[in-house]
Amino acid sequence: DTGVSQNPRHKITKRGQNVTFRCDPISEHNRLYWYRQTLGQGPEFLTYFQNEAQLEKSRLLSDRFSAERPKGSFSTLEIQRTEQGDSAMYLCASSPGSFHTEAFFGQGTRLTVV
Amino acid sequence: AQTVTQSQPEMSVQEAETVTLSCTYDTSESDYYLFWYKQPPSRQMILVIRQEAYKQQNATENRFSVNFQKAAKSFSLKISDSQLGDAAMYFCAYRSANQGGSEKLVFGKGTKLTVNP
Repeated sequence: DTGVSQNPRHKITKRGQNVTFRCDPISEHNRLYWYRQTLGQGPEFLTYFQNEAQLEKSRLLSDRFSAERPKGSFSTLEIQRTEQGDSAMYLCASSPGSFHTEAFFGQGTRLTVV
Repeated sequence: AQTVTQSQPEMSVQEAETVTLSCTYDTSESDYYLFWYKQPPSRQMILVIRQEAYKQQNATENRFSVNFQKAAKSFSLKISDSQLGDAAMYFCAYRSANQGGSEKLVFGKGTKLTVNP
């Protein structure tokens, strides 16, 4: 499968724990995006990378959230000291470059904080 | 900031009939892209159709077409000959086309489409 891959697909964690999600974009896509989708809402932008450079971060990305793309390939999204309000679907998308407007999405990681 | 509004939380259509999903947006930019994405249950979001704001001609992709009204900031999706596989959440989305501008997608809240056999 050459699509965007996200792991894990589901994560249940206790409040206060740290969690990390991984996204593997389509090969040679230099743009990688993270979105958060809560129930009944559309996806909300969190951050995006051009290769390893983080170009934009949303105000939604509090200091408990950090994202990295160390070698310009896969990316990780870490949430520290999780709160119940962090429960959501975390979506990753990639695209070949700025002139390619189509974003290819992964199936997401569903986080439940109990 | 740009906003996207989808005023129809749910819509239903009979198989083989036509349905139109509404979307309005707000922006002060003159150059941008608009999209309709489909999100089937438990599956990834896929692009249905894309419109460049500088193009007056409405985009079409097989059974899917849009009615883009730039002055009214309206961007509706028409699905013709609806099929059971069209059942999904549909999201309208906006992206700036300004050079050096944000590449983020701004989504509406979505419309859940049910196709009745």
